[in-house]
Amino acid sequence: GDSVTQMEGPVTLSEEAFLTINCTYTATGYPSLFWYVQYPGEGLQLLLKATKADDKGSNKGFEATYRKETTSFHLEKGSVQVSDSAVYFCALSEEGKLIFGQGTELSVKP
Amino acid sequence: GAVVSQHPSWVICKSGTSVKIECRSLDFQATTMFWYRQFPKQSLMLMATSNEGSKATYEQGVEKDKFLINHASLTLSTLTVTSAHPEDSSFYICSARGGRGVDTEAFFGQGTRLTVV
Repeated sequence: GDSVTQMEGPVTLSEEAFLTINCTYTATGYPSLFWYVQYPGEGLQLLLKATKADDKGSNKGFEATYRKETTSFHLEKGSVQVSDSAVYFCALSEEGKLIFGQGTELSVKP
Repeated sequence: GAVVSQHPSWVICKSGTSVKIECRSLDFQATTMFWYRQFPKQSLMLMATSNEGSKATYEQGVEKDKFLINHASLTLSTLTVTSAHPEDSSFYICSARGGRGVDTEAFFGQGTRLTVV
């Protein structure tokens, strides 16, 4: 079946550092791809999404490009802030159901 | 975004008892609700999908008699863990979707931490 694999955390960065969280997927069809973020004590929130190959999703300085040739959807941000500390989940949509990666914890130090 | 409220946020219960978790959509009508389970440092695993007014569809390996799901209204779904055991201890998360299109955004509750002692 379809699946999502994320790089393991935790990832610890200094403020203003560059962030990359890798995400690859396997799917039989052409799924939509998502990044969700979970801040401490809160529910998951949609961060960005892309619905077809070569689409770039972006929000709050984060970006991810749907790469069909490498089956990847890596999350990037040029300059992280302490407030970006959270758990990030990559996911794909299969017939309306979301399949998640295991999550990557990001900790940004001042 | 829309708000989904889950209650309680944490609960401790004794083995053999049942626990009910509520998931409410506060400002939209949820035609579809999803229940997930999350183990520490692992991904969210979909347990079941429920559409308002119909029986829930359970994922393979999920015991429907143990995890009772009711979606009686467009704003409320409940998950009841029956005869709970310590191995049922986990983080349970619901999400709700308002539209019928498969790519309609789903909004998530904050989760419920269940500990069975």
